[in-house]
Amino acid sequence: DAKTTQPNSMESNEEEPVHLPCNHSTISGTDYIHWYRQLPSQGPEYVIHGLTSNVNNRMASLAIAEDRKSSTLILHRATLRDAAVYYCILRDNSGGSNYKLTFGKGTLLTVNP
Amino acid sequence: KAGVTQTPRYLIKTRGQQVTLSCSPISGHRSVSWYQQTPGQGLQFLFEYFSETQRNKGNFPGRFSGRQFSNSRSEMNVSTLELGDSALYLCASSSRMNTEAFFGQGTRLTVV
Repeated sequence: DAKTTQPNSMESNEEEPVHLPCNHSTISGTDYIHWYRQLPSQGPEYVIHGLTSNVNNRMASLAIAEDRKSSTLILHRATLRDAAVYYCILRDNSGGSNYKLTFGKGTLLTVNP
Repeated sequence: KAGVTQTPRYLIKTRGQQVTLSCSPISGHRSVSWYQQTPGQGLQFLFEYFSETQRNKGNFPGRFSGRQFSNSRSEMNVSTLELGDSALYLCASSSRMNTEAFFGQGTRLTVV
């Protein structure tokens, strides 16, 4: 599985934007970039995913570099409820590993009031 | 639409015993995956079932097994429990059309 690299932790203030980076220099052409987050005492929660173009949904935006070797998850206005561990995951959609997620250590996001 | 349901939420077992955990996926989802989460190793993939067939398996010993029923509900079994099996066990379901996985709240297993 292709590897991702994320900072161990980041800190933000409430109502400010947060940019969570992820490096994936060995990404292959069939890898989708997925982001999940895990709030305390809960299972992981899907946030967003993309392949090449930038993506927006109600939770966040995903900015993907032109060479696809890095991406950034953007939370436009952080709230206290966004404090969680954020995982950047490469998911191969080309074959039998379609439903397998390989989690790294993720980034622990702390949001200050 | 009901989410992924895992039972039980908490479990305490003794070394050497076996345990069975249950997962009911979201209605219509045919893929069920299992993950183990520990403070030291993080989230690790155990196995994935689709239409009652195991399609993927992670790097875990044979003591860890699973199955999926015709209604897509899944069970995982751990035999001869060891202290190191203490973990949060998470189940996720996916549909054929979607690419996102929906996780349950997990079963917290403590082996004493």
